[in-house]
Amino acid sequence: DAKTTQPTSMDCAEGRAANLPCNHSTISGNEYVYWYRQIHSQGPQYIIHGLKNNETNEMASLIITEDRKSSTLILPHATLRDTAVYYCIVRSRNLFFGTGTRLTVIP
Amino acid sequence: DTGVSQNPRHKITKRGQNVTFRCDPISEHNRLYWYRQTLGQGPEFLTYFQNEAQLEKSRLLSDRFSAERPKGSFSTLEIQRTEQGDSAMYLCASSLFSTDYNEQFFGPGTRLTVL
Repeated sequence: DAKTTQPTSMDCAEGRAANLPCNHSTISGNEYVYWYRQIHSQGPQYIIHGLKNNETNEMASLIITEDRKSSTLILPHATLRDTAVYYCIVRSRNLFFGTGTRLTVIP
Repeated sequence: DTGVSQNPRHKITKRGQNVTFRCDPISEHNRLYWYRQTLGQGPEFLTYFQNEAQLEKSRLLSDRFSAERPKGSFSTLEIQRTEQGDSAMYLCASSLFSTDYNEQFFGPGTRLTVL
């Protein structure tokens, strides 16, 4: 399974876009990139996934580089409720969570 | 509420006792997963079922751990002879199997404290 590298923590001002990077240089051709987040004391929550193309849903956008070795999760207008740990996961079958990025949205 | 539910939410036990947790997945989901999460770490995969068949077990799942999903609906995770190192949040997730991707829906977890 491909390993991912994420910054330990990030801050973002409320209302601004939060851009969370992830490196996955050993990703193989059939592995998807998933993003989950975990708000304190809750179970993880699915955000978005992608294979090759950029993806957008009501929560976020996912930008995957052409070589698929890195990706960026974009929360377009961060709110205080987006404060959470964000996990970038690359796996073809089961999910392997690392330690994620702790995003703090600042008022 | 039609999400994944877990019971109990909290369990405190003494070292050496057996504990059992229950997970009720989303009703139409045929896959069910168990994870363990310790403080400051992301969830770690333990095992998963497709319907009633247990298809994969992590090396983290020692002989003291056993999971069942007898009718392909709810699942139980039992830990025998608990140790202090078993203290963690135990998370259950379910999904509808697809060859395309694997969106898992997580429950709130059961927090185990072994004294």
